[in-house]
This record gives sequence, C-alpha cells and structure tokens, in this order.
Amino acid sequence: AQTVTQSQPEMSVQEAETVTLSCTYDTSESDYYLFWYKQPPSRQMILVIRQEAYKQQNATENRFSVNFQKAAKSFSLKISDSQLGDAAMYFCASIPGYALNFGKGTSLLVTP
Amino acid sequence: NAGVTQTPKFQVLKTGQSMTLQCAQDMNHNSMYWYRQDPGMGLRLIYYSASEGTTDKGEVPNGYNVSRLNKREFSLRLESAAPSQTSVYFCASILQGESAGNTTYFGEGSWLTVV
Repeated sequence: AQTVTQSQPEMSVQEAETVTLSCTYDTSESDYYLFWYKQPPSRQMILVIRQEAYKQQNATENRFSVNFQKAAKSFSLKISDSQLGDAAMYFCASIPGYALNFGKGTSLLVTP
Repeated sequence: NAGVTQTPKFQVLKTGQSMTLQCAQDMNHNSMYWYRQDPGMGLRLIYYSASEGTTDKGEVPNGYNVSRLNKREFSLRLESAAPSQTSVYFCASILQGESAGNTTYFGEGSWLTVV
C-alpha cells in the first residue's frame, strides 16, 4: 500500500512571508501523480497544485510551488507572499493506482 | 456545470438507523469514490468504482455498501449506523489520463452525526 506522510501537524507563517510544508510518500510505482489540496473551514477540497512524476521540472501556480525530489520521495509545497486567505488545512496526496492516498494534513495559520 | 453533487449536506441519525448518501457527477468521469474524513486522519477511502457496474473496497469499507447506479451516480449506504460512523463524507470523481493529470474533483461534503 502507498503511504503519504506529512510530519508537520501545524505550521505558522506571518503575512507576506514564505512557508514550506513537507510531504514524503512511499510507492513502488514508476508512474504516478502528486497533489496538494487546500481545505478551508468550509471543508471544500481545493486543488492547489499537481505534479507528474515523470516531469523533472517543479510545478508552479502563482504563489505556490513545489520541490519534487523523486529519488528522496519528497514533495514539499512552498507558499510565497503568504496571505490571510491561505490559512487552511493542506493535504498532500498521491495517485499511483486507482485512487488518491492522503496524508493526515498540515494546519497552516497565517498571522497578520 | 455542477461538478460533483452530494446529498444530504447534514444528517443526524440514531444508532441502528439506515440512510443513503447520494452522489452524482456531470463530467462523464468513469471513476467515482467515497471518502470519510475524521479529525487528524486525513481522508480515507471507503469504496470506489472504477467504471459503471464495478465497485471495490477501499481502506475502511466495514459498515458500508455502495451502488454504482449508472455512470453519473454512486451512492453510499449505511445499513445500521453506529457512532463510529460519525464523520464528514466526500464523494469524488476523477478525470483520468495523462492529459487530464488524473485530477480528482470533490463534492462539498456531507456531515453525518450518529447519536
């Protein structure tokens, strides 16, 4: 079974600063996808960023970028210029097979 | 384009009662899923359906049954609700394939409390 590990239950960042959320995964598959989802208090699951394992270039979406280290099976999310609206739970997930496997999440607090 | 729609949004059940959570997607996706989310546990897969007419167990299937009624609809049934099934339930569907990036789309969640 594939596992996704988020070692930071909670993180805090000041507005306008940069924060990095960590994620490691374990899979024997050679072809897979990795995702970061944001979940605000409304519980809506919002896709933040996606990375295809076969692509060496790190994905970026505006203020969000990833550091994908395939050999180390690491997939961290960097949020630049943090905003109050970034406060939420963030889930790392992988899909090497039939469905998304999720980490347990990191709660991000953004302080003014 | 409604995406993934699940009902009801909130439900309170008594122990032993039964109920069905309904889910429909209008994106012509083949695969559909039911997850539950509990505090500190992330989302865990209950059941999935890779295509119309097929269903398979996920990580936590005990106490649940599913039906893939057609390509659009995938329902989750609790036959005899237990307090341990108090959770937030998410239905999801996936657009598979390299060009689509295997992106998963989620419903808004159903809050279920069993007392």
